[in-house]
Amino acid sequence: SYVLTQPPSVSVAPGTTARISCGGNNIGSKSVHWYQQKPGQAPVLVIYSDSDRPSGIPARFSGSNSGDTATLTIGRVEAGDEADYYCQVWDSGSDVIFGGGTKLTVL
Amino acid sequence: EVELVETGGGLIQPGGSVRLSCAVSGFSVSDNYMSWVRQAPGKGLEWISVIFRGGSTYYGDSVKGRLTISRDNSKNTVFLQMNSLRAADTAVYYCASHYCNAGSCYIDYWGRGTLVTVSP
Repeated sequence: SYVLTQPPSVSVAPGTTARISCGGNNIGSKSVHWYQQKPGQAPVLVIYSDSDRPSGIPARFSGSNSGDTATLTIGRVEAGDEADYYCQVWDSGSDVIFGGGTKLTVL
Repeated sequence: EVELVETGGGLIQPGGSVRLSCAVSGFSVSDNYMSWVRQAPGKGLEWISVIFRGGSTYYGDSVKGRLTISRDNSKNTVFLQMNSLRAADTAVYYCASHYCNAGSCYIDYWGRGTLVTVSP
């Protein structure tokens, strides 16, 4: 089955830009979605269809997808952005595939 | 307002069974793709099953043969029957609904989850 690969952790200073990658074979041909999960809470959708933001998600969150890598970019990172982030694709018409998750630490 | 509420978790003996329920308000489960996603302690998200609007069901490779997803449209509830439970099934189980467009689906609503602990 299709595999999504994320770095286990990313660390950035407040006010800088965080980039979280999601690798997959020709992932650029798929639609990628991103979720944020804080401790003890259910995940929340932050980006859908590669680069669209749900209502209520700050414009600091953006996404891109090309080739073998999709990227979630968080600009002007805040302490409240510290969380686990997961990428997801829909595969073979029936399967939900998640990446392994990336822990974002705000230094 | 949309709400998904999972119930049925608890402490289960190895080899035992459990039936999880997901009561939905705000939309009809028969109009949406509905999934179960689990998360073992300290681990990532793992999709385990989906039921389509038409009733077709699909399962992740790690759970095939031991799980059954179903729904009761009259109760607007989705179920997950799990058998032959093992310690590796210990996790928070989330109910989730999908929005699908242009051949791709993402999760737009999640429940709060119910904890299943498999232990003697």
